[in-house]
Amino acid sequence: DGGITQSPKYLFRKEGQNVTLSCEQNLNHDAMYWYRQDPGQGLRLIYYSQIVNDFQKGDIAEGYSVSREKKESFPLTVTSAQKNPTAFYLCASSLRPGTVNTEAFFGQGTRLTVV
Amino acid sequence: DAKTTQPNSMESNEEEPVHLPCNHSTISGTDYIHWYRQLPSQGPEYVIHGLTSNVNNRMASLAIAEDRKSSTLILHRATLRDAAVYYCILRDPFSEGSGAGSYQLTFGKGTKLSVIP
Repeated sequence: DGGITQSPKYLFRKEGQNVTLSCEQNLNHDAMYWYRQDPGQGLRLIYYSQIVNDFQKGDIAEGYSVSREKKESFPLTVTSAQKNPTAFYLCASSLRPGTVNTEAFFGQGTRLTVV
Repeated sequence: DAKTTQPNSMESNEEEPVHLPCNHSTISGTDYIHWYRQLPSQGPEYVIHGLTSNVNNRMASLAIAEDRKSSTLILHRATLRDAAVYYCILRDPFSEGSGAGSYQLTFGKGTKLSVIP
């Protein structure tokens, strides 16, 4: 089955530690995205990538880093510089601009808790 | 970026139709109207999208006003499994986007739909 997979589902880390969230897709999508969601809030864009080896900052990129070495993978690192890292993190993918059917497919999310 | 406005919450009785409104008065000519929904503790899922004409699929119908400044997502018979947050989003599939750009999915707080048994 084609889809987008995030792991792990739950993640606990100590304050001051970097942590990397995994996102893998087998939909052959060029574009991938990372969002953050806080309780009762909408999704906020952290980073996005339209093609391998290229990525752009979203609205709340500070304290996060990404890489896009393979089309299928777009890992997100939450660094110790992120002041409030506890949140629900969502990864998504879609076709690149230029096609009409650009609906996004989301993973099931990773709930990160920093203690 | 063109923005959308939705009510914070709505209620519906089970097995009755639900009409979820969305206002997008600054929509551009190339913006498509997308709807997503998010069940508790899950990632959003795509529901439907359209440009000008009304659209139907197995999940829902999308009614778009003639001036495109508003749209309505219609669930024909609400079930308990339809209880979710529904997001209305504008997306230009032909915009490369600079910075975040209009190609990117910009989510607001959406409408929380409660379904009463």
